[in-house]
Amino acid sequence: EADIYQTPRYLVIGTGKKITLECSQTMGHDKMYWYQQDPGMELHLIHYSYGVNSTEKGDLSSESTVSRIRTEHFPLTLESARPSHTSQYLCASSEVAGSFPDTQYFGPGTRLTVL
Amino acid sequence: RKEVEQDPGPFNVPEGATVAFNCTYSNSASQSFFWYRQDCRKEPKLLMSVYSSGNEDGRFTAQLNRASQYISLLIRDSKLSDSATYLCVVNLGGQNFVFGPGTRLSVLP
Repeated sequence: EADIYQTPRYLVIGTGKKITLECSQTMGHDKMYWYQQDPGMELHLIHYSYGVNSTEKGDLSSESTVSRIRTEHFPLTLESARPSHTSQYLCASSEVAGSFPDTQYFGPGTRLTVL
Repeated sequence: RKEVEQDPGPFNVPEGATVAFNCTYSNSASQSFFWYRQDCRKEPKLLMSVYSSGNEDGRFTAQLNRASQYISLLIRDSKLSDSATYLCVVNLGGQNFVFGPGTRLSVLP
């Protein structure tokens, strides 16, 4: 089992609120990722980080921002939530280990609903 | 053309059946390959990495054909608990993990 955690698991919030989705991992992985996934659809990368103080935007444009002040922690923030932000947000981390390929492990996800 | 394509589903099979999923990728520079399973409204979970020599884990066998840019997953003696969406994932290097659209499997009693 992967040691990667996300809170909250479910969040229902009104338009205009600021929200932070938490993600933490205890595996010491340098690389972390945020994906967005709508029901029945593919995962889309919205942010990634190669390590502390490194953050980059992913393929899918997102109004969210991220920070990486500690290796184990990669929170995602929406300054002003809108109904279009309703989705599942999945956090992942990865690390190359010996001869094994860089492999991603996912947190349980946060299902966000913005009313 | 999508970078990673998978068999369109859903696959509805009886318990005990053998089922095979196919996946093709377009970037010949792809470095590593994986199969994940994702249950409804859950996170993807790693099923197995796919190696050039092919690999087996219990009832699951994965094959990679780099020349044809093709990956497969074979499930033998399918169980009800195998019902899920199976995602083919290709790593192009760095943060570039490309997820296929998934193939949904329903194993019926």
